[in-house]
Amino acid sequence: KAGVTQTPRYLIKTRGQQVTLSCSPISGHRSVSWYQQTPGQGLQFLFEYFSETQRNKGNFPGRFSGRQFSNSRSEMNVSTLELGDSALYLCASSYGNNEQFFGPGTRLTVL
Amino acid sequence: EDQVTQSPEALRLQEGESSSLNCSYTVSGLRGLFWYRQDPGKGPEFLFTLYSAGEEKEKERLKATLTKKESFLHITAPKPEDSATYLCAVPNDYKLSFGAGTTVTVRA
Repeated sequence: KAGVTQTPRYLIKTRGQQVTLSCSPISGHRSVSWYQQTPGQGLQFLFEYFSETQRNKGNFPGRFSGRQFSNSRSEMNVSTLELGDSALYLCASSYGNNEQFFGPGTRLTVL
Repeated sequence: EDQVTQSPEALRLQEGESSSLNCSYTVSGLRGLFWYRQDPGKGPEFLFTLYSAGEEKEKERLKATLTKKESFLHITAPKPEDSATYLCAVPNDYKLSFGAGTTVTVRA
């Protein structure tokens, strides 16, 4: 079974731009979660989607948003990028039993 | 608010030198505790799920155990390829709360 895939793997943007990251979950998984990982804050929860509905959202500003499509694929968007948004963005999928399987991540650098 | 605390922050071991990592948690109504391994620049790799006190899981040189307040990850006779950051996490409200991790370095 193919694992979680994320595209792109690397991104370089400048302050003020916006970015869209994509995630394809493991086949059959309907829950997709997003996390931000930085050296200072560790892994921080962004949001979780199940059947196109956001069920939980972390403590991030409104510049961070996401959505899920009917095929369970998910995207997250960050608008008006700031230097502090530089991080590894991780997507995880789950069948529904809380066990989450992570993708390789997208490394975002904001200059 | 769920809290997950891992210790030590870093662990340097000689090949073959067994040790243990600790993960303590405060959560109302534990619905499982997860261990992950993360290599630099990669996503966390799922290792174990523990659901109830007294439960143990093993995989190669790793063994995870769970009590009512903490979990241990025992590394027996580690090899250099066991070098990684080990993360524990607890689920609640469709999200995982992670500890800061323990970075293990195994020298040959």
